[in-house]
Amino acid sequence: NAGVMQNPRHLVRRRGQEARLRCSPMKGHSHVYWYRQLPEEGLKFMVYLQKENIIDESGMPKERFSAEFPKEGPSILRIQQVVRGDSAAYFCASSQGASEKLFFGSGTQLSVL
Amino acid sequence: EDQVTQSPEALRLQEGESSSLNCSYTVSGLRGLFWYRQDPGKGPEFLFTLYSAGEEKEKERLKATLTKKESFLHITAPKPEDSATYLCAVQADDYKLSFGAGTTVTVRA
Repeated sequence: NAGVMQNPRHLVRRRGQEARLRCSPMKGHSHVYWYRQLPEEGLKFMVYLQKENIIDESGMPKERFSAEFPKEGPSILRIQQVVRGDSAAYFCASSQGASEKLFFGSGTQLSVL
Repeated sequence: EDQVTQSPEALRLQEGESSSLNCSYTVSGLRGLFWYRQDPGKGPEFLFTLYSAGEEKEKERLKATLTKKESFLHITAPKPEDSATYLCAVQADDYKLSFGAGTTVTVRA
């Protein structure tokens, strides 16, 4: 049973470009969470999704950031017009139920030049 | 807003030197307190979930305990492979996990 799969592992973008981060949850998991981690800081919650629904996006910036978890395919975190401050490690996690433990992927390291 | 504070920020131990990590929290309606281990360049790896004050969980050299205001992660006779960042997180009624900044443990042989 494969774990949470994130790709790409490393993503380099120039300022103003778009970044698309993909996350395939563990088999049987329908709850997906996205977190951002800056160096020397803890994981910061961004968004919580279930299939085709955004449950909680309170941690996501109102502009340039969006997330989706379609009926078929991986969850996507999209960052438009990236700026240097978006450089961070982005982690996806999945769970079987709302109050179950989260399993994390290996993350995508986004670098904005 | 949920708050999670971990101390110390960093801990350097000699192999075999037992110690404890602290996680103090403020949350409305605690559903669970989670401990994770994170190695450099990797995602957090689940260790324990604690649900109520007085509960204890053990796994190899690690033991987690919970009170109404804090949790402790005890490392008994650590080995170099226990070197990692240990993260504490709380889950409230909104189901998302709120993480502390972590404690980075380095165990020297």
